[in-house]
Amino acid sequence: AQTVTQSQPEMSVQEAETVTLSCTYDTSESDYYLFWYKQPPSRQMILVIRQEAYKQQNATENRFSVNFQKAAKSFSLKISDSQLGDAAMYFCAYRNFGNEKLTFGTGTRLTIIP
Amino acid sequence: DSGVTQTPKHLITATGQRVTLRCSPRSGDLSVYWYQQSLDQGLQFLIQYYNGEERAKGNILERFSAQQFPDLHSELNLSSLELGDSALYFCASSVEETWTANGYTFGSGTRLTVV
Repeated sequence: AQTVTQSQPEMSVQEAETVTLSCTYDTSESDYYLFWYKQPPSRQMILVIRQEAYKQQNATENRFSVNFQKAAKSFSLKISDSQLGDAAMYFCAYRNFGNEKLTFGTGTRLTIIP
Repeated sequence: DSGVTQTPKHLITATGQRVTLRCSPRSGDLSVYWYQQSLDQGLQFLIQYYNGEERAKGNILERFSAQQFPDLHSELNLSSLELGDSALYFCASSVEETWTANGYTFGSGTRLTVV
């Protein structure tokens, strides 16, 4: 079974600085997808960024980018120019190709210090 | 507003009771997924429906059941409730059945408290 590990329960960063959230996963599959979701206090789960395992190029969405290391099974999220609105729980998630379910990590609570 | 509507937002009920959670997917989405978020178990996949048919089952208890109706809305039925069923229940939807890199669109959840 696939597992997703987020080893940082909490992180904090100064506003306008850069922070990196870690995620590792375990799978024997070669085709899969990885995601980062954000859950602000409103509880809404918001997709931040996604990465297809067959793509070597790291995904980027504005201030959010990933460092995808397939051999190391690592998928970290970098948030640049942190803003107060980035404060939230961040969940890393994994999905097999052709499979329906998302497997989530336990989350990292990100605090932005003004 | 994500387009996925869940009702009610909050629900408080007693042990042994039965409740129904409702989800209306985003317009055009055919797949509905149910997830449970609890403090000790994190986010767990429960079940998926696609165009009215069950597609995948996860860690769903036998006391729980779900269905998707012809208008594509879905209901999650929880019966013989226990204190440990207290959690945030999410519904998510997507247009595809599977084989997609897209993440889901989540609703804002139903907070269930069993007392």
